[in-house]
Amino acid sequence: SQKIEQNSEALNIQEGKTATLTCNYTNYSPAYLQWYRQDPGRGPVFLLLIRENEKEKRKERLKVTFDTTLKQSLFHITASQPADSATYLCALGDDKIIFGKGTRLHILP
Amino acid sequence: DVKVTQSSRYLVKRTGEKVFLECVQDMDHENMFWYRQDPGLGLRLIYFSYDVKMKEKGDIPEGYSVSREKKERFSLILESASTNQTSMYLCASSFVTAPAFFGQGTRLTVV
Repeated sequence: SQKIEQNSEALNIQEGKTATLTCNYTNYSPAYLQWYRQDPGRGPVFLLLIRENEKEKRKERLKVTFDTTLKQSLFHITASQPADSATYLCALGDDKIIFGKGTRLHILP
Repeated sequence: DVKVTQSSRYLVKRTGEKVFLECVQDMDHENMFWYRQDPGLGLRLIYFSYDVKMKEKGDIPEGYSVSREKKERFSLILESASTNQTSMYLCASSFVTAPAFFGQGTRLTVV
């Protein structure tokens, strides 16, 4: 069955550094991959979508890469700030969208 | 702005009750989804719908049913609520092959 794996443990990063989150998947060949941010008690919020023919996508301080050979996506936040602290979710799917369990990111001041 | 509205923010129901969770979107999205989210288990897809009156099972459909009579509205029904259905329920909608927009969530407690 399709499986999405994200770092299950929390990630602590010093303010100003680059945070890198990993998403690996198996038994799937997605046409695109998405990243979402979720704050406690709230629904996820869409951040970025990257298609299989795109190697990299950027939006302000965010960068996503997509390696369909490795079946992996990396999500980077540069010049991280305490306000970036949240859980970040990776998602796959065309019609049926499934999510990884997410990685909790803590940016330490 | 896209708006996905869930009918209740918090809900407390008794075991055995029939429970309806309503979700309305205002962006004419074809797809709508119901997820539940539990600590350590992440977001799990219960059902999704790609058109009016159409539905597909997700990963954990047991104990749930859905209804989509109008494009903008997707209802989740707990036929006979049980304590293991205590959870955060999240509705989402999207265009085909496009990002999903989520509602604020309904925290359901079954006692």
